[in-house]
Amino acid sequence: AQTVTQSQPEMSVQEAETVTLSCTYDTSESDYYLFWYKQPPSRQMILVIRQEAYKQQNATENRFSVNFQKAAKSFSLKISDSQLGDAAMYFCAYEIMEYGNKLVFGAGTILRVKS
Amino acid sequence: DTAVSQTPKYLVTQMGNDKSIKCEQNLGHDTMYWYKQDSKKFLKIMFSYNNKELIINETVPNRFSPKSPDKAHLNLHINSLELGDSAVYFCASSQNRLAGVFSYEQYFGPGTRLTVT
Repeated sequence: AQTVTQSQPEMSVQEAETVTLSCTYDTSESDYYLFWYKQPPSRQMILVIRQEAYKQQNATENRFSVNFQKAAKSFSLKISDSQLGDAAMYFCAYEIMEYGNKLVFGAGTILRVKS
Repeated sequence: DTAVSQTPKYLVTQMGNDKSIKCEQNLGHDTMYWYKQDSKKFLKIMFSYNNKELIINETVPNRFSPKSPDKAHLNLHINSLELGDSAVYFCASSQNRLAGVFSYEQYFGPGTRLTVT
């Protein structure tokens, strides 16, 4: 069964600094998708970034980038120049490539941003 | 313009009652989902529908019954509510990835916080 592990229940970062959130996953598939979702206190789920497993290049979206290590099954999220608005729960997710694209989520990491 | 909407946003009810949560998307998507987020914030898929057809049915009690009257709506009906059903329920939608291998983004609704007392 596919599983997603986020080993950091909570992280803190100073405003304007950089923080990295960890995620590992377990799968026997060779082709899949990985995601980072952000859930602020409003509880709205917001897609931050997406990585396609067959692409070796790490995805980047403005201040957000990933370090995708396929062999190690690792998918970390780096947030540069952290802002107060980045404070939220971050979920790593894996998409199961079967009939219907089901997302499997990790347990989440709470990110606190200090001013 | 709300892409994926859910009603109600908050629902407080007593054990044993029957309740429904409605979801509508105006994105023209073919696929819709229900996810449950428990008190520890763990998110897990419950159901998925594609063009009104049930395609994912995780291990969910029979008291939960999704209904899709058309591809823009996916409602969740819960019978005989229990304390353990207290959670936030998210509806989501995406384009139909069955037509190809590309993975489309899932758009989430604002969630419905269900509290069973």
